[in-house]
Amino acid sequence: AQKITQTQPGMFVQEKEAVTLDCTYDTSDPSYGLFWYKQPSSGEMIFLIYQGSYDQQNATEGRYSLNFQKARKSANLVISASQLGDSAMYFCAMREGSGGGADGLTFGKGTHLIIQP
Amino acid sequence: EAQVTQNPRYLITVTGKKLTVTCSQNMNHEYMSWYRQDPGLGLRQIYYSMNVEVTDKGDVPEGYKVSRKEKRNFPLILESPSPNQTSLYFCASSPGTGLPISNYGYTFGSGTRLTVV
Repeated sequence: AQKITQTQPGMFVQEKEAVTLDCTYDTSDPSYGLFWYKQPSSGEMIFLIYQGSYDQQNATEGRYSLNFQKARKSANLVISASQLGDSAMYFCAMREGSGGGADGLTFGKGTHLIIQP
Repeated sequence: EAQVTQNPRYLITVTGKKLTVTCSQNMNHEYMSWYRQDPGLGLRQIYYSMNVEVTDKGDVPEGYKVSRKEKRNFPLILESPSPNQTSLYFCASSPGTGLPISNYGYTFGSGTRLTVV
């Protein structure tokens, strides 16, 4: 079973509108972190925002916020007031565990976001 | 500047010709990892390392080797490249001290676009 599911392969959004990118995850580990990365056409992976499994509040970083619903195992990324420069691939990822076992980020397949003027 | 440096950025090679992609980080991170990115599949982990001389397989290790002789370096070796290894490769590093490790994200290099003909 997929550990990270992003159900939107592509999205078109009008500039200045808010955008919600969906992400659901699957883990039995009580300790995990959820991450969102942006990949522009140039190819680099840019870290956007992090949410820990024990965090009580939703994470925010500037125009980015994470709508964390633990019981539903969802971690949607919200971009407020979208800009043309937000056009990119967006990946949701998860890191599990407290150390000592297998490690790494598990990625979803990504959402290709295009902001239209 | 804190960074992960990969070289080369672009590489075209022929089937069977051994190659090495270098990766170096200057943040004194314990964890390092290699990923490959293919269209529609997201990023998949090839190998990871928790510290010097400690490496383990990720999800897609076949056809790859790694070594971690020094903390800062984590080269990826393709002994006999094949066309199905044509991909975009990322090296990444993460802190490992202070639990839980799930609190920490990975910092990514700029990527190496490999074509095997």
